[in-house]
Formats: sequence, structure tokens, C-alpha cells
Amino acid sequence: GAVVSQHPSWVICKSGTSVKIECRSLDFQATTMFWYRQFPKQSLMLMATSNEGSKATYEQGVEKDKFLINHASLTLSTLTVTSAHPEDSSFYICSTRSSSYNEQFFGPGTRLTVL
Amino acid sequence: QQQVKQSPQSLIVQKGGISIINCAYENTAFDYFPWYQQFPGKGPALLIAIRPDVSEKKEGRFTISFNKSAKQFSLHIMDSQPGDSATYFCAASYSGNQFYFGTGTSLTVIP
Repeated sequence: GAVVSQHPSWVICKSGTSVKIECRSLDFQATTMFWYRQFPKQSLMLMATSNEGSKATYEQGVEKDKFLINHASLTLSTLTVTSAHPEDSSFYICSTRSSSYNEQFFGPGTRLTVL
Repeated sequence: QQQVKQSPQSLIVQKGGISIINCAYENTAFDYFPWYQQFPGKGPALLIAIRPDVSEKKEGRFTISFNKSAKQFSLHIMDSQPGDSATYFCAASYSGNQFYFGTGTSLTVIP
């Protein structure tokens, strides 16, 4: 399967600060990337879908001004959590999907803890 | 509304036994049904997937059984090993669009 990396793997920040998470597709050009959030012992919740070169599509209930997504190239998407609060603490996972097949391949995830 | 329903929530199996996890869906437009394995603190990893034109797919110790008429599919892990202890998610999608995930099953294989 495809190789997807995320950076950082974990981050601790103070309330009110912004945090950027990078998602890279290492071995193919990802026209579409997905961002998920996962709380402990729960399923993956899709936050937004980002397509290279266009604005991200956010799921209902996800604040686009709080969770900024940029998909500037076919190998990189970033998620910025702005003015983070403790309730934003979660496991953030990205996935990639190429245009040639339907499979999604997930990154290793980023653990965000907001103090 | 939960698009994909998964059961059981947790499962304990003896080493060497068979682990069975079930999923059900409603949307007949779904055309891709993957299973993911997730270890604590890691992202999900694609385990095996099936499309509705076949009733079964086997890869090593992992088998997906698919019942199109019942709108159900299941994951069977043969000869379960302690290293299989993880959380398993089923999912469904259509035309490569959004994936709908089940709620997950925490599998524990006892030595």
C-alpha cells in the first residue's frame, strides 16, 4: 500500500496557540486527502476532504475557520488547529487516495494535547 | 445515522481460535468494503477489502465474507494470535468517495 507520513507524531501546546500538522504522501501523487479525528476508544470521524488546488470540503459541525486545511501540492496537505483549546485534544489522522483506485491509506496519526 | 453498524464492540478469543467481526450496511450504492487494523497510538492499516461482485476473499489468515442480499459482511481471523490483538474497523464507500466507518471492535487474543 501507499506510504503516508505525518509530522509531528505528537504535540503538546498551550491553550490559545495554533498547531500545524503535516500529511505527506511519499510514493504517489494524492489528488485527495482526508483528515480524521479520533477520540479514545472511538471510531474515526471525518473532518474534511481536501483536493489539491482547491478549497477543502468540511463535514457538518467542523469549523473551517478553526481547522484550516491547505492542500498545496499532490504530496502535502496541512491541518492547522487555530486557537487550540483542551477540547481539541485528540488523535488526528490523515489519509490519501489517488485518482486511480479507491483505497485509502492512513498516516500514523498525530496526538495533540492542549493544556 | 450510522451508515455502517459493527459488532461486537469487544471480543476475547483464545490463541488459535477464530475471531469473527460483523458489519451491516444500508446503502446499496456502496461498492467497496475494506477492513482496517489499528494498534494503539497508530493509524489504521488496510487489512483486506472486497467488492460486491464476490462473496468471499481470503488473504492468509484473514477472510472477508460478503452477503449482498443481507447487506452484511464479516471478517474472519483464523488461528488468532496475540499479535492480532488490536482494534478492527470495517468501512464502506461508493465510487471512491467518503468512507463510512464502523464503530470498531477491540480484539484481545489470550495466549
